[in-house]
Amino acid sequence: RKEVEQDPGPFNVPEGATVAFNCTYSNSASQSFFWYRQDCRKEPKLLMSVYSSGNEDGRFTAQLNRASQYISLLIRDSKLSDSATYLCVVITGTASKLTFGTGTRLQVTL
Amino acid sequence: NAGVTQTPKFRILKIGQSMTLQCTQDMNHNYMYWYRQDPGMGLKLIYYSVGAGITDKGEVPNGYNVSRSTTEDFPLRLELAAPSQTSVYFCASSYSIGPGDNEKLFFGSGTQLSVL
Repeated sequence: RKEVEQDPGPFNVPEGATVAFNCTYSNSASQSFFWYRQDCRKEPKLLMSVYSSGNEDGRFTAQLNRASQYISLLIRDSKLSDSATYLCVVITGTASKLTFGTGTRLQVTL
Repeated sequence: NAGVTQTPKFRILKIGQSMTLQCTQDMNHNYMYWYRQDPGMGLKLIYYSVGAGITDKGEVPNGYNVSRSTTEDFPLRLELAAPSQTSVYFCASSYSIGPGDNEKLFFGSGTQLSVL
């Protein structure tokens, strides 16, 4: 089992739709979780941190389920500008154990 | 505030050539990282550093070397370029690793390297 696994993409959704991505992690000792956004040929940028019970930022909601070892990202009222690849990042212990998922590609269409 | 600055943005190397990818950050971050990203894949850690004078191997260190003589700079050296090193390279930094916002990674804009 991979350390961090994400929903396979691409997700093609119409503008205004609600879409959710999941990310599972294998190590129960993992302590920190993040969602990063990566546009084509660009560097990843932090979208949201996910701690304990999760958090919300505008149209974006991130949840953490420690019992089932997954995090999720919910995007409401999708915009064309949300089209990107969303990377799940899990930190377990030290600086070297910062693991990226392979990403889920989202394409929002008219 | 420039953040993380990476140079060059693009480079084509011949097999066996060497080069150094430069990375500098002005945020006084302790932690710095080098990642490579192959098409359709996640980022893989090459080397990292937790402070000046300290470096350690990541997941895919073979064929690369690093140094950290100052807090600001973390260059990545390719000694004998091979086609398998064709990839996009990202440098990143963070203040620390531990609960809280200090773990946020700030990335440079990337270097697209082709070895032919």
